[in-house]
Amino acid sequence: GAGVSQSPSNKVTEKGKDVELRCDPISGHTALYWYRQSLGQGLEFLIYFQGNSAPDKSGLPSDRFSAERTGGSVSTLTIQRTQQEDSAVYLCASSFNPLSSYEQYFGPGTRLTVT
Amino acid sequence: GENVEQHPSTLSVQEGDSAVIKCTYSDSASNYFPWYKQELGKRPQLIIDIRSNVGEKKDQRIAVTLNKTAKHFSLHITETQPEDSAVYFCAANSYSSASKIIFGSGTRLSIRP
Repeated sequence: GAGVSQSPSNKVTEKGKDVELRCDPISGHTALYWYRQSLGQGLEFLIYFQGNSAPDKSGLPSDRFSAERTGGSVSTLTIQRTQQEDSAVYLCASSFNPLSSYEQYFGPGTRLTVT
Repeated sequence: GENVEQHPSTLSVQEGDSAVIKCTYSDSASNYFPWYKQELGKRPQLIIDIRSNVGEKKDQRIAVTLNKTAKHFSLHITETQPEDSAVYFCAANSYSSASKIIFGSGTRLSIRP
C-alpha cells in the first residue's frame, strides 16, 4: 500500500522567503510527527499531532515555524522568513497508535536549502 | 524533560564481529523501545522493537535487551556484514509530555572489510 509521502522532495529558496512543506501520512494513522535532520546529524523533534491537535509543539525552533493538520490527515509545516540555518532535511512520520507505542513510518523527506 | 541517551556516537567493527549500541532513558513509565536503521540518503526504518513485558528479543542476527530497573536497553548485531553499515537510532515512548517517541542521538556504525 501507499506509504508516507512528502512534497516537494527538494526545495531551494532565498533567505527571507516563506516555504511550505507537505506530508501525506498513511491512511488511518492518527499520530503524525515532524523531524528535522541536518547533514550527518540525528533526528530533531519539531512537533507532534494526535488527530488535528498538537499536544506537543516544544520542538519548534522559533515562532517562524508553524504546522497544522487538517481532517486528521495531511499536514503542512510552514517556515516563515527562512534563514540559512533552516537548511536541512525535514522528515515526516506517521503512526497508527495514539499511545506512541507502534512503529513510525517515515516519509522520504524534503531537502530544504536556503541560499 | 524526558530524554534518551545513546552511545557510542560512532562505532567501527571488523566484518564478522559483533556490534553493541547502548541507550538509557529517563521516563520510568516508558514501555516501548524501537530501534531504527537509516542507511545513507534514505529514511529511517524500524528494524526491531521491544516492549517492557520482555527482557530480550531476537530476529536473526539482531537482538535487543532491556533492563527496566536500570532503565537501559541495547542493540546487539552479530556476524556483522557490510550492509549493516548505517546510522542506528534507539527510541523510547514517553508519557510525561503528550505521549510521544523520543529518539537517541544516533550511532554511526561502519563495518570494516
